[in-house]
Amino acid sequence: LAKTTQPISMDSYEGQEVNITCSHNNIATNDYITWYQQFPSQGPRFIIQGYKTKVTNEVASLFIPADRKSSTLSLPRVSLSDTAVYYCLVGDPYGQNFVFGPGTRLSVLP
Amino acid sequence: NAGVMQNPRHLVRRRGQEARLRCSPMKGHSHVYWYRQLPEEGLKFMVYLQKENIIDESGMPKERFSAEFPKEGPSILRIQQVVRGDSAAYFCASSGGGANTGELFFGEGSRLTVL
Repeated sequence: LAKTTQPISMDSYEGQEVNITCSHNNIATNDYITWYQQFPSQGPRFIIQGYKTKVTNEVASLFIPADRKSSTLSLPRVSLSDTAVYYCLVGDPYGQNFVFGPGTRLSVLP
Repeated sequence: NAGVMQNPRHLVRRRGQEARLRCSPMKGHSHVYWYRQLPEEGLKFMVYLQKENIIDESGMPKERFSAEFPKEGPSILRIQQVVRGDSAAYFCASSGGGANTGELFFGEGSRLTVL
């Protein structure tokens, strides 16, 4: 299983764009990159998943370079409610265990 | 379509007692994962089960912990002879496996407090 490295914490202000980068140097060919968001006292929630290049949905964008050794979650115009822990996971989505790293604690300030 | 249901949401046990945590996956999902989370820490993988089979239990402590996912009924995480260090939030997640995207759907967790 590919190990991931993320910043422990980040601060931002409302309305700014936030980019959280995850390193996964030993990502395997079959591995996908998935990001989850967790609010206090709640279970994590799926944000976005990708394999290569760029993926965008109504919540975020995910940028993956050609070598796939890293990925960047981009949150446009964050609000206070985006304060949460963000986890990057790398693994084969077809049935393997999913190992979470320590995540990035994002604090959005007014 | 109900999401992943976990119960109880809160459980208090005294040292030496048993704790049973239940997880009903989303309808149609046959893969269940259990995670443990200590306060201010990340999620620690415990076990991955498919119906009637334990696929990966590499994150489970060797003693006192067991998990099952029977053909009928919810998945159960069982902790025998609980100790204070077992106090944590236990999250269950399910996925459809097979041709799905690998997205995990999490329950709201069961918070175990050992006195």
